[in-house]
Amino acid sequence: EPEVTQTPSHQVTQMGQEVILRCVPISNHLYFYWYRQILGQKVEFLVSFYNNEISEKSEIFDDQFSVERPDGSNFTLKIRSTKLEDSAMYFCASKGAVGTDTQYFGPGTRLTVL
Amino acid sequence: TQLLEQSPQFLSIQEGENLTVYCNSSSVFSSLQWYRQEPGEGPVLLVTVVTGGEVKKLKRLTFQFGDARKDSSLHITAAQPGDTGLYLCAGVGGTYKYIFGTGTRLKVLA
Repeated sequence: EPEVTQTPSHQVTQMGQEVILRCVPISNHLYFYWYRQILGQKVEFLVSFYNNEISEKSEIFDDQFSVERPDGSNFTLKIRSTKLEDSAMYFCASKGAVGTDTQYFGPGTRLTVL
Repeated sequence: TQLLEQSPQFLSIQEGENLTVYCNSSSVFSSLQWYRQEPGEGPVLLVTVVTGGEVKKLKRLTFQFGDARKDSSLHITAAQPGDTGLYLCAGVGGTYKYIFGTGTRLKVLA
């Protein structure tokens, strides 16, 4: 069964460093999402991506964040200068065609900023 | 800002008991979804409700969407230890944005 994969599973970085979180969505899906979940808190929407551009973003997704689909298979989230409060689980999700409502989530990347 | 509040936040019950989880908002959503999340994994979609007043059943789980499409409930009949997990509602604000609720952590004791 097709699934969304994410790498790495755990990333530890120093404050101020750049990190890139990688996702491989399900191959024929068209919509891509990033969410984060701070430990013990709710899942927060960051950004959605469709047709090679950002469709919508939340207030969390500031200038420090960017997304890219560099090669038609990977979908990346870059945090330019990490802060302590960026420590969280980051989930990638993908969805098929218009009219479908099922997002498939990856297993997440745990980001720890020291 | 669209917010979804879930109650209760935590629930610990004995196997065989029934329970209801609530998801409330002041905003109207085009549809609402319920997910279950296991530790160390991403959320998995259980159901989508679209029409105000709609009721959907998934084995022992019954989902209802409020008439005004601002709230929803999840009822589990005869809970089992395998139902243990974090239950999340999510309002669909459009094709591109999903607003997740605050979550209900359920523990079912054998």
